[in-house]
Amino acid sequence: NAGVTQTPKFQVLKTGQSMTLQCAQDMNHNSMYWYRQDPGMGLRLIYYSASEGTTDKGEVPNGYNVSRLNKREFSLRLESAAPSQTSVYFCASSELQGDGYTFGSGTRLTVV
Amino acid sequence: DQQVKQNSPSLSVQEGRISILNCDYTNSMFDYFLWYKKYPAEGPTFLISISSIKDKNEDGRFTVFLNKSAKHLSLHIVPSQPGDSAVYFCAAHGAGGTSYGKLTFGQGTILTVHP
Repeated sequence: NAGVTQTPKFQVLKTGQSMTLQCAQDMNHNSMYWYRQDPGMGLRLIYYSASEGTTDKGEVPNGYNVSRLNKREFSLRLESAAPSQTSVYFCASSELQGDGYTFGSGTRLTVV
Repeated sequence: DQQVKQNSPSLSVQEGRISILNCDYTNSMFDYFLWYKKYPAEGPTFLISISSIKDKNEDGRFTVFLNKSAKHLSLHIVPSQPGDSAVYFCAAHGAGGTSYGKLTFGQGTILTVHP
C-alpha cells in the first residue's frame, strides 16, 4: 500500500522554467492538499481540493496552479519558476476535510 | 499572521527524561488539534490528536494537553527515546469559516534526545 506518492523527489530549475509536480494517492481519499515547507515557516498550504472537481486557494497560492485530474491525482504546476519557490513541497490527502492527513515523502525543488 | 505558533525552534533532552513541546494558537475557530512528527527526507506522519471538547489525550508514551482558555497545547513524551529525535509540528483546523477542513501548521520544533 503506497499511500501518497510524489514525483519527482528532487528537481533543479532555472528561473523562468516551468514544471509540474505530480501526486497520486491510492487510499480513495476525497481531499488532497499541496503544502510547502520552508525553514522557520512550517508547512504552508498552497492549494487544496476538497473533492474531485474542486480546487481552492490556500495561504500562499501565488505563482502556482493546480489540477485535480481525477480522484487519485492532484498536480501542482509552476508556470515560471522563481528563486522564492525554492522549497520542499508536500502533497497530502485525507478521507474527509479535516481528518488527519497522510503525506507524501516530498519534492525538494531548487530554483537557480 | 501566524495562527499556530511553536516558539521553541529546538529542544534537547536526555534519554529517559520527559520532553515537553509547546504550541499556541490565536484562532478561536480552531476545534481540533494534531501533532505530526517528521524525520529528515520523509513526509510528516500523524502522531496524536485532541478535540476541543477534551483537555487531555494519551497514546502510550505520548500525551497531549489542551488549555482552551489560554489557547495553548502541549505534547509530553515520557520517557523520551533517541528514536523520538525528529521535527514535531503542531497543527489545527476549525469547525467552520475559512479554517474549516484545512490544517494550519506551526513552525515546528526540532527535538533531539541524547543517549
